[in-house]
Amino acid sequence: AQSVTQLGSHVSVSEGALVLLRCNYSSSVPPYLFWYVQYPNQGLQLLLKYTSAATLVKGINGFEAEFKKSETSFHLTKPSAHMSDAAEYFCAVRAYGNKLVFGAGTILRVKS
Amino acid sequence: GAVVSQHPSWVICKSGTSVKIECRSLDFQATTMFWYRQFPKQSLMLMATSNEGSKATYEQGVEKDKFLINHASLTLSTLTVTSAHPEDSSFYICSASQPDGETQYFGPGTRLLVL
Repeated sequence: AQSVTQLGSHVSVSEGALVLLRCNYSSSVPPYLFWYVQYPNQGLQLLLKYTSAATLVKGINGFEAEFKKSETSFHLTKPSAHMSDAAEYFCAVRAYGNKLVFGAGTILRVKS
Repeated sequence: GAVVSQHPSWVICKSGTSVKIECRSLDFQATTMFWYRQFPKQSLMLMATSNEGSKATYEQGVEKDKFLINHASLTLSTLTVTSAHPEDSSFYICSASQPDGETQYFGPGTRLLVL
């Protein structure tokens, strides 16, 4: 069965600093992995996805993620945090029937 | 592209009434739609998978008679919460995927408060 673990329910960074949000997955088949962002009282917006092509995936708003099979990881990074990046971020893996299994989420706080 | 809408965005109802939530894919045909609920400070929990023209598939523990799902067209799925009770208060989010099934696109969510 597929599962996702997000390390750190809250991450706080200063504006302009590196953002690193951690995601580890478990999958019995080659995984499809996703990062979504959720702003308060809104739905989820797709940031990026990995579908077995390039291991370094670039997404919207300057985010990128690297798929590392040996570490079963798909960490999300952004070189320089912006105040508008403050939100909750969810890592997800595709499961049977095209369902998504989500991690618990990481709330990113950006300090000025 | 790949825009999904939900209506209403929020609803308050009395206990015992039924509430219908619509999920529409605006610029693509969605062969599959998914319904999630999200409690405060928690992740999304899949309730059911809805395929156009067939019965929805419910996740374990989700009452199919309480949460009625209809997927009558390739652009519309509805979730009806029947005989709502305060414990049904939650944030309900739908998503839709294109025929390749590769990516789910999410609606903005519907906040339900049952008094």
